[in-house]
Amino acid sequence: GDSVTQMEGPVTLSEEAFLTINCTYTATGYPSLFWYVQYPGEGLQLLLKATKADDKGSNKGFEATYRKETTSFHLEKGSVQVSDSAVYFCALSDRAGQGAQKLVFGQGTRLTINP
Amino acid sequence: DAGITQSPRHKVTETGTPVTLRCHQTENHRYMYWYRQDPGHGLRLIHYSYGVKDTDKGEVSDGYSVSRSKTEDFLLTLESATSSQTSVYFCAISESAGAADTQYFGPGTRLTVL
Repeated sequence: GDSVTQMEGPVTLSEEAFLTINCTYTATGYPSLFWYVQYPGEGLQLLLKATKADDKGSNKGFEATYRKETTSFHLEKGSVQVSDSAVYFCALSDRAGQGAQKLVFGQGTRLTINP
Repeated sequence: DAGITQSPRHKVTETGTPVTLRCHQTENHRYMYWYRQDPGHGLRLIHYSYGVKDTDKGEVSDGYSVSRSKTEDFLLTLESATSSQTSVYFCAISESAGAADTQYFGPGTRLTVL
């Protein structure tokens, strides 16, 4: 079945550093791709998404481009802040049956930003 | 923020006892989902609902049942809890079921089975 693989964490960076979190996927069709973020003690929030090849999703300074040729959706940010410390999940949409869609998640990457 | 609440937020129970978790939404969304979150696995789908009284299994449904008698409520029941069901449980909702549609998540319930 479809699957998502994220880079192993945890990742620790200094404030204002450049961030990349790698995400690759395996899918039989052309899924939509998502990045969700989970702040401590909270549920998941959508960070950005892309629905077709070469689309770029962006939000709050984060970007990710849907690369069909490399089956990747890497998350980047040019200058991270302490407030970006969270767990980041890459996910793809897949059919769940009965017309519903489920999300298939990577294992998550814990990011810590030090001042 | 989508109006999704989960109750209880934390629960400790013993092996063999039944447990019911509740998800309540105020968005009138048709689709509701239950996921569990475990270290190294991300989130995995347990069950989902595509309407009142309409539910189906996800990839990790063994040992769980669900019910949806009203649009706003989706219940997850562990008939006889086991230690392997210790996890954080998230409810999610979506208005429709297109591939690009966003799922909105509740705050989660942390369940510990002793």
